[in-house]
Amino acid sequence: KNQVEQSPQSLIILEGKNCTLQCNYTVSPFSNLRWYKQDTGRGPVSLTIMTFSENTKSNGRYTATLDADTKQSSLHITASQLSDSASYICVVSETGSSGGYNKLIFGAGTRLAVHP
Amino acid sequence: ETGVTQTPRHLVMGMTNKKSLKCEQHLGHNAMYWYKQSAKKPLELMFVYNFKEQTENNSVPSRFSPECPNSSHLFLHLHTLQPEDSALYLCASSLLAGESPNEQFFGPGTRLTVL
Repeated sequence: KNQVEQSPQSLIILEGKNCTLQCNYTVSPFSNLRWYKQDTGRGPVSLTIMTFSENTKSNGRYTATLDADTKQSSLHITASQLSDSASYICVVSETGSSGGYNKLIFGAGTRLAVHP
Repeated sequence: ETGVTQTPRHLVMGMTNKKSLKCEQHLGHNAMYWYKQSAKKPLELMFVYNFKEQTENNSVPSRFSPECPNSSHLFLHLHTLQPEDSALYLCASSLLAGESPNEQFFGPGTRLTVL
């Protein structure tokens, strides 16, 4: 069964500190992996996307890594800000779905709270 | 803004009411999606439309009825819902799988509460 598991479920850090969120997946066939940020009451917004051949991708203070052999990804946030408080969702795209679209397998998300 | 709008943003309804959720995308995409997001659970895909044709119904109860009049608009008609249907309903759009990029862009969602 295709699954995406994220840890921790929730995290509290102080402003200015770094943190790392984890994602393990068992999705096959694999197309790509995305990290989304979802603010409370809003829709998810894409932060990074990585294909099978990519090991790391940065977007400002966000850096994602991908190990396709172990099927693990991480999202590292540097010098956290209060506006980083949100849910971070790991999403793996499965190729070969019928209907002309790539099926997305969502993790349950990590809820991050950045405190002053 | 992602280019995908949803209305209303909040909706409270009784179990005997009939209401509709609306989604509009301004991105020129040809695929649209409805997702349900319950607290602390992963997003659940409900329906997929490609070029106005429904290509996936993920075992969704018939009390949810989608409508896609054109590739820019998507509706979700609701009737005789249950309290457990209370959730955030998200609309998304994308290009089809063979067209790059086919990233899904999400709307802000409709927070639905069923009393």
